[in-house]
Amino acid sequence: RKEVEQDPGPFNVPEGATVAFNCTYSNSASQSFFWYRQDCRKEPKLLMSVYSSGNEDGRFTAQLNRASQYISLLIRDSKLSDSATYLCAVNIWGNNDMRFGAGTRLTVKP
Amino acid sequence: NAGVTQTPKFRILKIGQSMTLQCTQDMNHNYMYWYRQDPGMGLKLIYYSVGAGITDKGEVPNGYNVSRSTTEDFPLRLELAAPSQTSVYFCASSSTLQAYNEQFFGPGTRLTVL
Repeated sequence: RKEVEQDPGPFNVPEGATVAFNCTYSNSASQSFFWYRQDCRKEPKLLMSVYSSGNEDGRFTAQLNRASQYISLLIRDSKLSDSATYLCAVNIWGNNDMRFGAGTRLTVKP
Repeated sequence: NAGVTQTPKFRILKIGQSMTLQCTQDMNHNYMYWYRQDPGMGLKLIYYSVGAGITDKGEVPNGYNVSRSTTEDFPLRLELAAPSQTSVYFCASSSTLQAYNEQFFGPGTRLTVL
């Protein structure tokens, strides 16, 4: 089993749609969780950290389920500019060995 | 702050050639990382460093070497390039002061080995 697995893409949605991505992780000692956004041929950039209580940033909501070992990202009211690949990342404090998922590609269409 | 910078942006190597990918950060971060990203795949950690003089292997270290003589610089060395090393290489850094260890990435080096 891969350490970090994401929904296979691609996701093609119309503008205004709500889309959700899931990411599962295998190491129960994982303690820090992130969603990164990567535009085509660019470097990943942090979108959100994922806290135990869940967190929201505008149209983006991230949640963590430790019992089932997954994190999720919900994007509401999708914009064309949300088109990108979304990578989840997991690490264990004190280890600094971040593990990334393969990414889920999102295309938002007019 | 320039953040994390990488050179070169692109490079084509012949099999068996060697090269060094440069990475510099100006954020005074202790932690630095090298990843490779193959097409359609996630990032795989090659090597990382927790401070000057300290380096450690990641998931895929074979065929690579690193050094960390200063806080700012973390070069990645390919000694005998192979076609399997064709990839995009990202350098990243993070601060130990951040509990959530956000990593900041450089723009990447696209390497092709023919």
